[in-house]
Amino acid sequence: KNEVEQSPQNLTAQEGEFITINCSYSVGISALHWLQQHPGGGIVSLFMLSSGKKKHGRLIATINIQEKHSSLHITASHPRDSAVYICAVVWFGNQFYFGTGTSLTVIP
Amino acid sequence: NAGVTQTPKFQVLKTGQSMTLQCAQDMNHEYMSWYRQDPGMGLRLIHYSVGAGITDQGEVPNGYNVSRSTTEDFPLRLLSAAPSQTSVYFCASRILAGGQLSTDTQYFGPGTRLTVL
Repeated sequence: KNEVEQSPQNLTAQEGEFITINCSYSVGISALHWLQQHPGGGIVSLFMLSSGKKKHGRLIATINIQEKHSSLHITASHPRDSAVYICAVVWFGNQFYFGTGTSLTVIP
Repeated sequence: NAGVTQTPKFQVLKTGQSMTLQCAQDMNHEYMSWYRQDPGMGLRLIHYSVGAGITDQGEVPNGYNVSRSTTEDFPLRLLSAAPSQTSVYFCASRILAGGQLSTDTQYFGPGTRLTVL
């Protein structure tokens, strides 16, 4: 089984701050996903990564396959970014394994 | 497209009662799955299906049954509800590529919050 660890578990930031959320996994994977879960409970997919870096608006995701590590960055954070961010790995065409999530609160 | 829909949004059951959580998707995805989400734990796979007529167990299948008679629908049945099944349940779907899970986006339903007393 692939162990997926996220840090930090909880994060509070002031509006405008640069935020980093980390994800580490124990076994080689075929892809890694970053998901966002809103306070209302809905889950949406932000990124899928198999190598390198992706950017969407103020969100940047990177992955280092050799080090089995990924980071999600939020630039110029905003209160509407407040959510739980979940890392999930896909283990060579098999099931998803999920981290426990990072709860982010951005204060105006 | 409606995407992935789930009903009901909320449900309260008494211990021993049975019920079915409904899930439907209109994206013609072969792969559908059910997860439960509990405080302090990541989403855990209950059951999944790679197509109509094909289902398999995930990480935490005990106490749950599924069937897949059509591509669109994937209901989850609780046979005899227990307080340990109090959780938030998510249905999800995605495409299959050549018989293997695609690494493309997985689409989640809005969730069902279940309380078993």
